[in-house]
Amino acid sequence: AQTVTQSQPEMSVQEAETVTLSCTYDTSESDYYLFWYKQPPSRQMILVIRQEAYKQQNATENRFSVNFQKAAKSFSLKISDSQLGDAAMYFCAYRSAEETSGSRLTFGEGTQLTVNP
Amino acid sequence: AAGVIQSPRHLIKEKRETATLKCYPIPRHDTVYWYQQGPGQDPQFLISFYEKMQSDKGSIPDRFSAQQFSDYHSELNMSSLELGDSALYFCASSLVVYARANTEAFFGQGTRLTVV
Repeated sequence: AQTVTQSQPEMSVQEAETVTLSCTYDTSESDYYLFWYKQPPSRQMILVIRQEAYKQQNATENRFSVNFQKAAKSFSLKISDSQLGDAAMYFCAYRSAEETSGSRLTFGEGTQLTVNP
Repeated sequence: AAGVIQSPRHLIKEKRETATLKCYPIPRHDTVYWYQQGPGQDPQFLISFYEKMQSDKGSIPDRFSAQQFSDYHSELNMSSLELGDSALYFCASSLVVYARANTEAFFGQGTRLTVV
């Protein structure tokens, strides 16, 4: 079974600064997807960014980018120019891309990000 | 754009009662997932359906059952409710890309169930 670990329960950043959230995972599969979801106080789960394991290039979405290290099984999220609206719980998640392995998302424990004005 | 619709948004039930949660996926999405998120916890996968058939099963109690109907909406039925069932229940939907497992799942706003 796959596991996802977020070792930082809480992080804080000053507005306009950059912060990196860490995520590691364990899997024996070679084809999978990794995601970062954001959960603000409204509790809505919002997809931030997605990475396909077979793609070497790190995904980028505006101020959000990832550092995907497949060999190290590491998938960190970098938020640049942090904004007050970025304050939320961030979950790292894994999904198998292999047809017979099911398609559930496995989440990490989450990192609570605080943005200080 | 249409999103995943869950109803009701809030539900209060007493112990041993029954609850039914409904989920309406994004139009043309063929896969529905149910997750349970307890206070301060990450979402835990319960069950999923693809084309109206159960496709994956997680840590869903025997007291719970679910199905996906012909119009692709799904219902999660919960019986003999316990205090520990109090949680936020998310439904998510996605579209299977042929010959590959699903890509991203889009989540509804959740149903907050409180068992008293």
